[in-house]
Amino acid sequence: SYELTQPPSVSVSPGQTARITCSGDALPKHYAYWYQQKPGQAPMLVIYKDSERPSGIPARFSGSSSGTTVTLTISGVQAEDEADYYCQSADSSETYVFGTGTKVTVL
Amino acid sequence: EVQLVQSGAEVKKPGESLKISCKGSGYSFTNYWIVWVRQMPGKGLEYMGIIYPGDSDTTYSPSFQGQVTISADKSISTAFLQWSSLKASDTAMYYCARRGYSGSSGFDYWGQGTLVTVSS
Repeated sequence: SYELTQPPSVSVSPGQTARITCSGDALPKHYAYWYQQKPGQAPMLVIYKDSERPSGIPARFSGSSSGTTVTLTISGVQAEDEADYYCQSADSSETYVFGTGTKVTVL
Repeated sequence: EVQLVQSGAEVKKPGESLKISCKGSGYSFTNYWIVWVRQMPGKGLEYMGIIYPGDSDTTYSPSFQGQVTISADKSISTAFLQWSSLKASDTAMYYCARRGYSGSSGFDYWGQGTLVTVSS
């Protein structure tokens, strides 16, 4: 079955930049979305349509796409950004799929 | 204010049936698709399926086809996820979420989750 592959973990110091990648063969054909999930909470949409930011999401969150890889960038990381992050897209049969997830640790 | 409110935690035995709910408010429930997402303990998010409450058009992920039933009652703005015979491996947190009006809007609002525990 189709998979979206993310690194299991990313560590970053406060104020630095965190980059989380998501790779999948169908990404050139389908938009990607990013969700933040803090412990004990429901996921929250932070990026849609590869690079758009929903209202209320800080500008330090940005998304980009290049070929079969999409990237979530968190610039000027803050302690409150420590969370799990999941990419999401669709496969060739238009079935939604989530990435494997990345734990972001703020050192 | 858009809200999705899910039913409370459940503890069930293997073989029992279960139906959990997700009630939408603050928007036109019939015009937005609702998805269900599973999260097993300590694991990632898994897409289960999607329903359009306006006409109950439903699609399942192949991984969940035949394992669960997704339905909706637009008269009470509520979507449902049900099992006819639970297994221990169904133990998980289940989330409902709204897909934005445009198909490219993502899952923009989420319920708080329903924890289902299946144990003998």
